[in-house]
Amino acid sequence: SQTIHQWPATLVQPVGSPLSLECTVEGTSNPNLYWYRQAAGRGLQLLFYSVGIGQISSEVPQNLSASRPQDRQFILSSKKLLLSDSGFYLCAWQGRELGELFFGEGSRLTVL
Amino acid sequence: GESVGLHLPTLSVQEGDNSIINCAYSNSASDYFIWYKQESGKGPQFIIDIRSNMDKRQGQRVTVLLNKTVKHLSLQIAATQPGDSAVYFCAENLNDYKLSFGAGTTVTVRA
Repeated sequence: SQTIHQWPATLVQPVGSPLSLECTVEGTSNPNLYWYRQAAGRGLQLLFYSVGIGQISSEVPQNLSASRPQDRQFILSSKKLLLSDSGFYLCAWQGRELGELFFGEGSRLTVL
Repeated sequence: GESVGLHLPTLSVQEGDNSIINCAYSNSASDYFIWYKQESGKGPQFIIDIRSNMDKRQGQRVTVLLNKTVKHLSLQIAATQPGDSAVYFCAENLNDYKLSFGAGTTVTVRA
């Protein structure tokens, strides 16, 4: 069966510091991968998606970047965090047959 | 208890009653729809889905209804339990790569 892991689960970082959130998927090959952000009490905002190694599509201009160095690894990064980067970040992979998304447990980022 | 559209983000329901969560979607060309449940501090979990060639689909204690004429989707939860307290999101498949999510409805179950 397929599983998705993301870490760290919780992160508190000062403004201006770098960020790296990592996501890995097991049990499937060449998945479409996604990073979403969820502000407190809000819906899901798509940040990036990737259809293959090295292929990244950005949905909104922002202070973040994404990379996919391996087939089942998706990384969300920032060189200098802003207060507005605080939120709950979710990684997801997409089922091939119907297109449903399966989410990781999330990473809560607080920028102080 | 029943919520209407995306403009009523909360629903309070008595334990044991049926819940109805509503969602209006935007794209008449969408062919696949999903309901997710998100508990506090966790990632969204898949509940049930429906393709556009159907108007009703049933799962365990949940039923999804699709009305393509008015672009409306609903999730019915039978005999609501305390464990059903969560935020519920509808999502529509805009194309091969993207799901568009609704704003979410927070369901609170009263004992």
